[in-house]
Order: sequence, then C-alpha cells, then structure tokens
Amino acid sequence: EAGVVQSPRYKIIEKKQPVAFWCNPISGHNTLYWYRQNLGQGPELLIRYENEEAVDDSQLPKDRFSAERLKGVDSTLKIQPAELGDSAVYLCASSLESSGQETQYFGPGTRLLVL
Amino acid sequence: AQSVTQPDIHITVSEGASLELRCNYSYGATPYLFWYVQSPGQGLQLLLKYFSGDTLVQGIKGFEAEFKRSQSSFNLRKPSVHWSDAAEYFCAVAKYNNNDMRFGAGTRLTVKP
Repeated sequence: EAGVVQSPRYKIIEKKQPVAFWCNPISGHNTLYWYRQNLGQGPELLIRYENEEAVDDSQLPKDRFSAERLKGVDSTLKIQPAELGDSAVYLCASSLESSGQETQYFGPGTRLLVL
Repeated sequence: AQSVTQPDIHITVSEGASLELRCNYSYGATPYLFWYVQSPGQGLQLLLKYFSGDTLVQGIKGFEAEFKRSQSSFNLRKPSVHWSDAAEYFCAVAKYNNNDMRFGAGTRLTVKP
C-alpha cells in the first residue's frame, strides 16, 4: 500500500512569490494534517482536516497561508506571498480518524527555500 | 497545553552500545505518548506509542520505551545500537483525541563504528 505522497520534494523560490504544496494521503484516511518543521525543531501543526472540513486551523497564518481539501482526499497548502521565514520542511500526515489512538503516517515532506 | 522537552540535542554512541533518549512531557491528564524517527530526507516513522496499560512499550526495530508518571518521562531505549539507527528522534505528546500533537525539538543520534 502506498504511503502519504507529497510533491514537490524540493522548491526554491524568491520572496514574495507564491508556492503550493500537494499531498495525497493514504487511501481511506479521513484525517489529514499539515505540519511545518523548522530547522532543528520538531513539526508544528498548521491545520487538520476531517474529511473536507478544516477542524483546527488555529496555527495557520491566515494572512498568507491557505489550504484546501476538495472531496476529502488530496490537499493543497499555499503560501502567497512567501517570506524568508517560511523556509522550512512542510510535512503532510494522515490517519484513519482523529481519535487519540490513531497513528499519524507522515509523508517525506516538501523542503522549501525562500531566497 | 501539553508540551515535550528532549534535553539532549545530540547524542553519539558506539555501534553495539546501549542507548537511552530522554523525553519529559507536561500535561495535566493522562497523555498519549509517541516516539518517531526521521532519517535524512524522509518523513517521520512511528517507533512506538503509549496510551494505557503496561508502562513498558515495545516498538519496531528493537526499541522500547518506559512511561513513568511520577517523573513525567517517556524515555526511549535500545540495548544494542546499529549504524542504521543514526537519525533524528522525536518524542510527542497528544490529547485523547489526537487533534493537538506536540513534538519535542528532537535528538540527533550519531553512531560511531
């Protein structure tokens, strides 16, 4: 069974440019998460979806970040415009449900460098 | 809110030696605890998790962890380290409904031949 798929794996852009990341969760997983991992830090949750509904976006910087999960499967995370401080690894994870005992499975991440 | 502290940023051990990675958590109720491993350029892989019951938890790749409520700790151990264990290790704590998982800053493990 395929794991969580993310693309692109790497992205280099200039500041003020837009960028988008795509995630395809494990088949049948209802819950999808986007995390940001800064260098030398652990992942921090940006947004959590249950099916197509964003149920926790309290940590998403809404002035420049947006996300969507159409049809409750794939998801896209967008930054517009990007700032130097957005350089990080963006991780997508999925789980069957959002209960405490469900394991989150992580994709390989998208490494973003903003110049 | 819950939080996790991993006191050791970097640990170096010799291949074949034993390993213990420390994790301390802060949470008012019974926590859900996890250890993940991240190899360079890879996503996080779950090693083991604790929800309830036996406080000694067995995981994959020969790892185990022990939950000690009195010390608010969930340390990861392995009796004999292999060169392939070199990676970044993250401890995480979550609430019962998993909607707010907090990770520690990670411990980087280097294995000497």
